Amino acid sequence: NAGVTQTPKFQVLKTGQSMTLQCAQDMNHNSMYWYRQDPGMGLRLIYYSASEGTTDKGEVPNGYNVSRLNKREFSLRLESAAPSQTSVYFCASTYRALRLNTGELFFGEGSRLTVL
Amino acid sequence: DAKTTQPNSMESNEEEPVHLPCNHSTISGTDYIHWYRQLPSQGPEYVIHGLTSNVNNRMASLAIAEDRKSSTLILHRATLRDAAVYYCILPPPALIQGAQKLVFGQGTRLTINP
Repeated sequence: NAGVTQTPKFQVLKTGQSMTLQCAQDMNHNSMYWYRQDPGMGLRLIYYSASEGTTDKGEVPNGYNVSRLNKREFSLRLESAAPSQTSVYFCASTYRALRLNTGELFFGEGSRLTVL
Repeated sequence: DAKTTQPNSMESNEEEPVHLPCNHSTISGTDYIHWYRQLPSQGPEYVIHGLTSNVNNRMASLAIAEDRKSSTLILHRATLRDAAVYYCILPPPALIQGAQKLVFGQGTRLTINP
């Protein structure tokens, strides 16, 4: 089973360039998430999508946009990349249990982005 | 969201048990306790979760204090592959229109000595 697949795995950008990180899951999950992890730090939530058709901001949404293309796919776009966005980006998904927070979050392998 | 406190780092020896503590003194009655771990250069992976009773699975055991203000993740026989950062997380209850948001702190970096 593929689980959560992220592309690309590595990317180098120049300041001001734009790019889109792609994420797809094959587990029929309804909730999807984008996190970033800076060196030596914990993960910080950028955006999430509770279900197809909805998106919401997390802790650090500035400089990013997201699109929940369908139930499987959730993309993260950097419109004008900045060096502060150099990080490892993780996509995750889960089946959201109504009224209970017992869903297990499944993560992709990460996308390492460097902005020069 | 209830806050968790974990030691920055711990060290143990291979094939010995490891007890990873987590304090969550502001936990509410409906907060589940989740543990995730992140192996080097990988995304986090789920380890275990519980509410009140102690829980066991193939990866680990979770011991929850009677007052629920602290918990301990137990690796019964550590291997080199268990070297990772371990996160103790209390996600807020999922709302009908919301989603389960996991907030990851710094976690505990576990080193396993051969």
